[in-house]
Amino acid sequence: SAVISQKPSRDICQRGTSLTIQCQVDSQVTMMFWYRQQPGQSLTLIATANQGSEATYESGFVIDKFPISRPNLTFSTLTVSNMSPEDSSIYLCSGGPDSNYGYTFGSGTRLTVV
Amino acid sequence: QQPVQSPQAVILREGEDAVINCSSSKALYSVHWYRQKHGEAPVFLMILLKGGEQKGHEKISASFNEKKQQSSLYLTASQLSYSGTYFCGTEGVVQGAQKLVFGQGTRLTINP
Repeated sequence: SAVISQKPSRDICQRGTSLTIQCQVDSQVTMMFWYRQQPGQSLTLIATANQGSEATYESGFVIDKFPISRPNLTFSTLTVSNMSPEDSSIYLCSGGPDSNYGYTFGSGTRLTVV
Repeated sequence: QQPVQSPQAVILREGEDAVINCSSSKALYSVHWYRQKHGEAPVFLMILLKGGEQKGHEKISASFNEKKQQSSLYLTASQLSYSGTYFCGTEGVVQGAQKLVFGQGTRLTINP
């Protein structure tokens, strides 16, 4: 199965600043998704990262706030822009699919905005 | 649209069985099952494609009823290591975009 390296693993940021999260996959994957997860809650889909084109965002998430890049089939970034304390959460990327291993997740980025 | 899981939480003694259900109001291409332990990323368990097939993984198996748009995860003779939160994910194409959307999760606690 694919292995995804996600960076940073955690960060504490000042409100009004931006943070870029990176996900590097060790093999080419067709699909990559970005999720947000509050402690004890489910995974909320932010967007589908499309290779070479604009990401497809879910309701409630906009490109200006969460710009996403996917320059190739092994790499994607999510930027959390103009952060506020409400953006504090765990952000996860996932890639796949594999018929035997489904989608693999990165280890997550725990973001705290102060 | 988010699939609905039931129950929300289950507490078992080691060796007991459990069933977790997942249903969706939208036509499904596939259903995925994941387990997440506290502080860790979700880990893939199995994927079920259209056709009502049943798959197994150790003592964990699942079924997918395409007509009813439902899937069930069966945990047999549960072990302490099965504790965690189980998520079903439904994959499909909505307005031209492929998505994997997760249910709210079922927290499983296995006691000795």
